[in-house]
Amino acid sequence: LAKTTQPISMDSYEGQEVNITCSHNNIATNDYITWYQQFPSQGPRFIIQGYKTKVTNEVASLFIPADRKSSTLSLPRVSLSDTAVYYCLVGDRNAGTASKLTFGTGTRLQVTL
Amino acid sequence: DVKVTQSSRYLVKRTGEKVFLECVQDMDHENMFWYRQDPGLGLRLIYFSYDVKMKEKGDIPEGYSVSREKKERFSLILESASTNQTSMYLCASRGTSNEQFFGPGTRLTVL
Repeated sequence: LAKTTQPISMDSYEGQEVNITCSHNNIATNDYITWYQQFPSQGPRFIIQGYKTKVTNEVASLFIPADRKSSTLSLPRVSLSDTAVYYCLVGDRNAGTASKLTFGTGTRLQVTL
Repeated sequence: DVKVTQSSRYLVKRTGEKVFLECVQDMDHENMFWYRQDPGLGLRLIYFSYDVKMKEKGDIPEGYSVSREKKERFSLILESASTNQTSMYLCASRGTSNEQFFGPGTRLTVL
């Protein structure tokens, strides 16, 4: 079972780039890395997913080194509305293997002016 | 847009009561999940269903059971609620895209 470790909290000023790192030392060959964002009183929302190297979408970038033992979520030019908890999820995407899906404890990002 | 709804946002029950938490999704997803979320512990998977009448235990199934009689509905059952089951319960569904879509959550308090 791939366990993940993230910083408990991070602070940033508006307009800065924020990088949140997740450690997953025993990631399995079939595991993908997925990041979610959660605002208070809401369920988590998918941000980005990757297997190796770099993935970019309109919201964020995900960097995964060759050994895949860690990953970094990069949020460019954060705004106040990016204040949320960010979860790193490592697991097999295939149906029937939900027991391998592991959420981290989350990183609470606070963005201020 | 995918919509996942949960029957209640807030629920207060007494110790020993049987509690049903209902979750409905409208996108014909095969996979549905129940999590609980507690401060400092993140999201923990209780049960997972990958098809009608099919279920698999997650990391913390003790004290819970589930029912999936129809594809769109996944129910979490607390046979005899206890105070340590006071928590936020989140339901999610997943289609072929591998993205999980979460409901708004049910905050359950057991007195």
